[in-house]
Amino acid sequence: DAGVTQSPTHLIKTRGQQVTLRCSPKSGHDTVSWYQQALGQGPQFIFQYYEEEERQRGNFPDRFSGHQFPNYSSELNVNALLLGDSALYLCASSFDRLDYEQYFGPGTRLTVT
Amino acid sequence: EDKVVQSPLSLVVHEGDTVTLNCSYEVTNFRSLLWYKQEKKAPTFLFMLTSSGIEKKSGRLSSILDKKELFSILNITATQTGDSAIYLCAVFNTDKLIFGTGTRLQVFP
Repeated sequence: DAGVTQSPTHLIKTRGQQVTLRCSPKSGHDTVSWYQQALGQGPQFIFQYYEEEERQRGNFPDRFSGHQFPNYSSELNVNALLLGDSALYLCASSFDRLDYEQYFGPGTRLTVT
Repeated sequence: EDKVVQSPLSLVVHEGDTVTLNCSYEVTNFRSLLWYKQEKKAPTFLFMLTSSGIEKKSGRLSSILDKKELFSILNITATQTGDSAIYLCAVFNTDKLIFGTGTRLQVFP
């Protein structure tokens, strides 16, 4: 049973560029949440997708957007990249949006230069 | 504003020592408290606590929640070098996790 998968593993972008990160949830899970983890910090909630809609959003600007597909996989898009967007981006899936136990993927390390 | 605070931020011990990691929280709509271990990238689930006073145990690790005083502790006995990691505490609030900064544990032989 495949767990949560994310791609790519690492990414280097330049300020002002746009980036798309991808996540496939654990089999049987229909809810995907995205987190940003800056160096030395705990993960910060970006948003959650359920039934192809954004259900909850953390304190992140509109430059951060997402999408969920009918097969429950999800994308995180970040526009107009800033140096401060450099972080580990984690995707977590759960059985449904109220499920406490979230399974995390290995993350995508984004470096903005 | 919801917040989760962990202490200490960093801990260095020798193999065989016992450690206690602390997590306090101020979160509206508390549902549960979770502990994760993060070694390289993906946080891996350790415990979920929803009721006060009931200890959860897994091998050398144990955890307990106090919902009156709004804190939890994670104990690791007879530490091993493989326990070296960042330990994250998170509170589930309605439908998202609110994380603390984590405690970095280093265990030396």
